[in-house]
Amino acid sequence: ELKVEQNPLFLSMQEGKNYTIYCNYSTTSDRLYWYRQDPGKSLESLFVLLSNGAVKQEGRLMASLDTKARLSTLHITAAVHDLSATYFCAVEGNEKLTFGTGTRLTIIP
Amino acid sequence: ETGVTQSPTHLIKTRGQQVTLRCSSQSGHNTVSWYQQALGQGPQFIFQYYREEENGRGNFPPRFSGLQFPNYSSELNVNALELDDSALYLCASSLWDRVEQFFGPGTRLTVL
Repeated sequence: ELKVEQNPLFLSMQEGKNYTIYCNYSTTSDRLYWYRQDPGKSLESLFVLLSNGAVKQEGRLMASLDTKARLSTLHITAAVHDLSATYFCAVEGNEKLTFGTGTRLTIIP
Repeated sequence: ETGVTQSPTHLIKTRGQQVTLRCSSQSGHNTVSWYQQALGQGPQFIFQYYREEENGRGNFPPRFSGLQFPNYSSELNVNALELDDSALYLCASSLWDRVEQFFGPGTRLTVL
């Protein structure tokens, strides 16, 4: 059974700082997704990573995938308050997505 | 291009009742997946429908059932509701041969 773990579960950081969220998964997969969720809202797709070594960037967020290490990272650069949300990684396998537990990110002014 | 829509947005039921949630997939998408997200948790896969047939199921009991219609819209039915069924139910649509799933706004179900 595929297991997906994220850390940290909670992250409180000051504006302007950099930090990384980690996503580890237990079985081979070449497809990994990052989503953002605001309180009470649905999931917003951030990145789709489809191969080993894939790196994608959008604004202050950058995601990477290492399929050999079964690890993806979501790096936040110079955080701003608008990035406060819960971030989920999800790994595709057997026609379904298995989600991590989520990282609740709070950016403090 | 119309995105994924779900109805209703909120629903309150009591234990033992039955509920039907509805999802209209994004235009052109032929595959629909349903997820349950309990408060403070990540979404959990319930099942997926393609060509009106169930194509994969997560660890949910048979009282969770679904349908997909010829226009690719879908329903999630839950019988004999339990308190633990209280959650946000998310529908996602995709093309069968494409990778990315697009999520609807969700239905918040509260079971009292």
